Amino acid sequence: AQKVTQAQTEISVVEKEDVTLDCVYETRDTTYYLFWYKQPPSGELVFLIRRNSFDEQNEISGRYSWNFQKSTSSFNFTITASQVVDSAVYFCALSEAGGGAQKLVFGQGTRLTINP
Amino acid sequence: NAGVTQTPKFQVLKTGQSMTLQCAQDMNHEYMSWYRQDPGMGLRLIHYSVGAGITDQGEVPNGYNVSRSTTEDFPLRLLSAAPSQTSVYFCASSSPQATRAEAFFGQGTRLTVV
Repeated sequence: AQKVTQAQTEISVVEKEDVTLDCVYETRDTTYYLFWYKQPPSGELVFLIRRNSFDEQNEISGRYSWNFQKSTSSFNFTITASQVVDSAVYFCALSEAGGGAQKLVFGQGTRLTINP
Repeated sequence: NAGVTQTPKFQVLKTGQSMTLQCAQDMNHEYMSWYRQDPGMGLRLIHYSVGAGITDQGEVPNGYNVSRSTTEDFPLRLLSAAPSQTSVYFCASSSPQATRAEAFFGQGTRLTVV
């Protein structure tokens, strides 16, 4: 069975600090997709990134970066120079082979608070 | 762009009542799903559909029914509401194309069963 674990329930940092959110996953599939979603206080789910299991290149998007390591089954998310607007709950998720995202398995989420 | 639209946004039900949460998408996505979000548990899959006329159960299907008569709509029915169904419900749609494998979520429905 697929499983996603986000061991950090809550993280609180001061603005401009770097912060890393951990995500560890379990799956028997050789082809799978990993996602990160952001849920701001307003409640909607905002897509951040999708990574397939064959692409282990790290990705950077502005202040956001993702480190995918199949050897440790981890897909960690780092925010550099955090800002108050980054305060949200962040979810890591996994989908099975087939390409679609109709059956996402989510982690429990990490509540990130950025203090001014 | 409407994307995924859920109605209502808020609902209070009495135990034993039934109701239908509506979900519509205008992106012509084949895949649609329903999730519930409870504190500390992330989102859990209730039911999903890979096309009109095809539905299947997710992780927590008990107490819920779905049907998919059109590509656009995927309503979720609560048969006899229970306090344990108090939650935030999200509908999502996605495409089966691997290059577009991203779930688009509605704004959510906050349901309270008293």
